Amino acid sequence: DAGVIQSPRHEVTEMGQEVTLRCKPISGHNSLFWYRQTMMRGLELLIYFNNNVPIDDSGMPEDRFSAKMPNASFSTLKIQPSEPRDSAVYFCASKFLLGHTEAFFGQGTRLTVV
Amino acid sequence: AQSVTQLGSHVSVSEGALVLLRCNYSSSVPPYLFWYVQYPNQGLQLLLKYTSAATLVKGINGFEAEFKKSETSFHLTKPSAHMSDAAEYFCAVTRTGNQFYFGTGTSLTVIP
Repeated sequence: DAGVIQSPRHEVTEMGQEVTLRCKPISGHNSLFWYRQTMMRGLELLIYFNNNVPIDDSGMPEDRFSAKMPNASFSTLKIQPSEPRDSAVYFCASKFLLGHTEAFFGQGTRLTVV
Repeated sequence: AQSVTQLGSHVSVSEGALVLLRCNYSSSVPPYLFWYVQYPNQGLQLLLKYTSAATLVKGINGFEAEFKKSETSFHLTKPSAHMSDAAEYFCAVTRTGNQFYFGTGTSLTVIP
């Protein structure tokens, strides 16, 4: 398996624009997580899905952020409108729902909002 | 509530010296603990995990960690540091297997 695949790897956008980050989890994994990493706040869990259903989105910072998982092999994280303080590395991770197995992380998307 | 505390945001060791990265957890029930490593511009990669079997857990690249319930600790060690060990290390805890709570990370520098 190719692992968790995120695209794009880098995104530079202007303030106010819509940004969509994409994630393809490992085949067979049925839990998916979106994290944000910044120097100031470290790794923050934004939202996670079990069997394509959002379970906990309490980490989503504002209504400008939204996430979807239309099927088991694809998820998006959208920011609309984007702001400079959204600049961070966004990670997607996936795991098997059952059992205390580890989460596998993608390479991340480095977002810069200017 | 669950959380982990990593003491020391930066640790420097000489090449060949012992590596010790500290992690203490707080959990109201038996936890499941993980150590991840992050190399520059990369995602997190699992080093090792404790899931209530043996208290001494061996991981990849010569790392190991010992679960000590009495000390609520899960420190990461490696007998001899290598230059390639320079990276950011994260401790994480989960009870349910769903929500992982990560520490703030420890940046390891290896001095030649």
